[in-house]
Amino acid sequence: GAGVSQSPRYKVAKRGQDVALRCDPISGHVSLFWYQQALGQGPEFLTYFQNEAQLDKSGLPSDRFFAERPEGSVSTLKIQRTQQEDSAVYLCASSLGSLTGSVRNTEAFFGQGTRLTVV
Amino acid sequence: DAKTTQPNSMESNEEEPVHLPCNHSTISGTDYIHWYRQLPSQGPEYVIHGLTSNVNNRMASLAIAEDRKSSTLILHRATLRDAAVYYCILRDRGTGNQFYFGTGTSLTVIP
Repeated sequence: GAGVSQSPRYKVAKRGQDVALRCDPISGHVSLFWYQQALGQGPEFLTYFQNEAQLDKSGLPSDRFFAERPEGSVSTLKIQRTQQEDSAVYLCASSLGSLTGSVRNTEAFFGQGTRLTVV
Repeated sequence: DAKTTQPNSMESNEEEPVHLPCNHSTISGTDYIHWYRQLPSQGPEYVIHGLTSNVNNRMASLAIAEDRKSSTLILHRATLRDAAVYYCILRDRGTGNQFYFGTGTSLTVIP
């Protein structure tokens, strides 16, 4: 596809359940980001990959959150033992550029997000 | 990271220009000013970005103050499809690719 694809679009999890959220970035994009967006708030940064390397995970709220991008393309955000406060939209974005790339190449393209509801 | 300040909400009549302000008094010399917008139930989408000079593209114009402590996103003719939350973001090429969003400005377009 032409854009960033996220699946599932909606996920309902029982408290304590583990969930895995998938992101298919635009082909060839080096950078990949995960964001968490609570209702009525702006997106909050979670983590950043450059190819398969996770260069920044400073935004992950707890050790229950884990992200990977093993082959430098598809990424998975995993949340273990979900809690009600994890309910949010999880957004994935990708961009062509890297840290040393042209700013022109650092426009980020976002997916539509996965809405996670923990009950 | 340098912070931005935007009004929570603004209204505009359809077909009229809209000026969305953003204050970023702690901007550093290497920060680029980016604007993204988020339509309901969608992910954010890129609008425009700049460093020092005013910028124009097919979507909007970006006017940057001479001291770079503020900027204004200009939509020349608002349409109903422009109703969205607009985020002004500072992005430092030197230290990372992360985008730090604030709460943005919710734009209502009145028909």
